[in-house]
Amino acid sequence: EAGVAQSPRYKIIEKRQSVAFWCNPISGHATLYWYQQILGQGPKLLIQFQNNGVVDDSQLPKDRFSAERLKGVDSTLKIQPAKLEDSAVYLCASSTGQNDKNIQYFGAGTRLSVL
Amino acid sequence: DAKTTQPPSMDCAEGRAANLPCNHSTISGNEYVYWYRQIHSQGPQYIIHGLKNNETNEMASLIITEDRKSSTLILPHATLRDTAVYYCIVRVAVANNRLAFGKGNQVVVIP
Repeated sequence: EAGVAQSPRYKIIEKRQSVAFWCNPISGHATLYWYQQILGQGPKLLIQFQNNGVVDDSQLPKDRFSAERLKGVDSTLKIQPAKLEDSAVYLCASSTGQNDKNIQYFGAGTRLSVL
Repeated sequence: DAKTTQPPSMDCAEGRAANLPCNHSTISGNEYVYWYRQIHSQGPQYIIHGLKNNETNEMASLIITEDRKSSTLILPHATLRDTAVYYCIVRVAVANNRLAFGKGNQVVVIP
């Protein structure tokens, strides 16, 4: 079974530029998550989708971050404009969304450096 | 979700059992204990979870105290590939409930 795919693996931009990350979850997984992981800290949830609807975006900085999952499959996370403090690893995860173990499966992440 | 407390780091000898502690004194009756680990440059990986009974799978064993205020993850024969940050998370096991990661326990397996 293929895992969660993310691209690109690395991205370097200057502050005030825009950037986008892509995620393709495990086939059939209804729930998709985007996390931000700053160096030395655990991942922090940014946004959670159930199919193509937003379940939780309470920790998403909506003035600069946006995310979509238009067809309920793959997803894009965008930052516009980027700030220095956005330097982090952006992780995508997916789960079945069913009331069972609810195990989340993570991709390898995109490492963003904002200069 | 209840908060957890883990040591920031620990070393383990290769080939020996590694016992990773976690305190969760404010855990509620319907909250499970989940363990994930994150190897360098990879995303977190699910290991095991449990409610009150001890659990074992191909990766590890989870021992939960009778009062459920603490637990121990046991890696039976630690290898160098087990070097990772280990996260203990307490959460209600319902669909779409978030994972709240702390800083975790940096475990280094020493040859």
